Amino acid sequence: QSVLTQPPSVSAAPGQKVTIACSGSRSNVGNHYVSWYQQLPGTAPKLLIYDNDKRPSGIPDRFSGSKSGTSATLDITGLQTGDEADYYCGTWDSSLVVVVFGGGTKVTVL
Amino acid sequence: EVQLVESGGGLVQPGGSLRLSCAASGLSFSSFSMVWVRQVPGKGLEWVSYIDSGSTTIFYADSVKGRFTISRDNAKNSLYLQMNSLRVEDTAVYYCARDPRTSDCFIDYWGQGTLVTVSS
Repeated sequence: QSVLTQPPSVSAAPGQKVTIACSGSRSNVGNHYVSWYQQLPGTAPKLLIYDNDKRPSGIPDRFSGSKSGTSATLDITGLQTGDEADYYCGTWDSSLVVVVFGGGTKVTVL
Repeated sequence: EVQLVESGGGLVQPGGSLRLSCAASGLSFSSFSMVWVRQVPGKGLEWVSYIDSGSTTIFYADSVKGRFTISRDNAKNSLYLQMNSLRVEDTAVYYCARDPRTSDCFIDYWGQGTLVTVSS
């Protein structure tokens, strides 16, 4: 059971939008930056969003992040078949003194 | 181009030991803190351990504390994970990655991973 809670799966048609929620607590999401990772099938994870809402260079602006209280959200707009992947949120937990990840969300493009 | 290349994975019996290595290139290795993250095939990510640039600050997940030891050799641009008293539940792909911040989650470069299988 993961410390951060994500829906197991979300899906939408090409061109549509999906939203992935990441729910935590005050010791993690509530007081620390959240990052998001994309893991395409058979590959290593890739940093998608950091500091709640910042994109590394090369990440398209179709990907956006936000945080409010103890929840964070990843939005993917203009969904493409190449976006089919697992997405993970992560943050520091100051009570556990470790990095914690969500259980991952599989995005399916219908 | 930043490259992190893990090695040392393989099949080991329960109770056995294994040492993973990670060779870094394309970055100023000695300036950055590093982490190990593992993933059971088909499952989610689990952070394992963190070491800062000078090996003065080290963290472990409770699941590996007392059994795994993280270390680095900045002269060799290498990161290590010594894994002792291995258990079946340690079976996973182990990723070496850079996390330049302490008490944060900002993992910007990942290796391709090395598979560790613990089985009799």
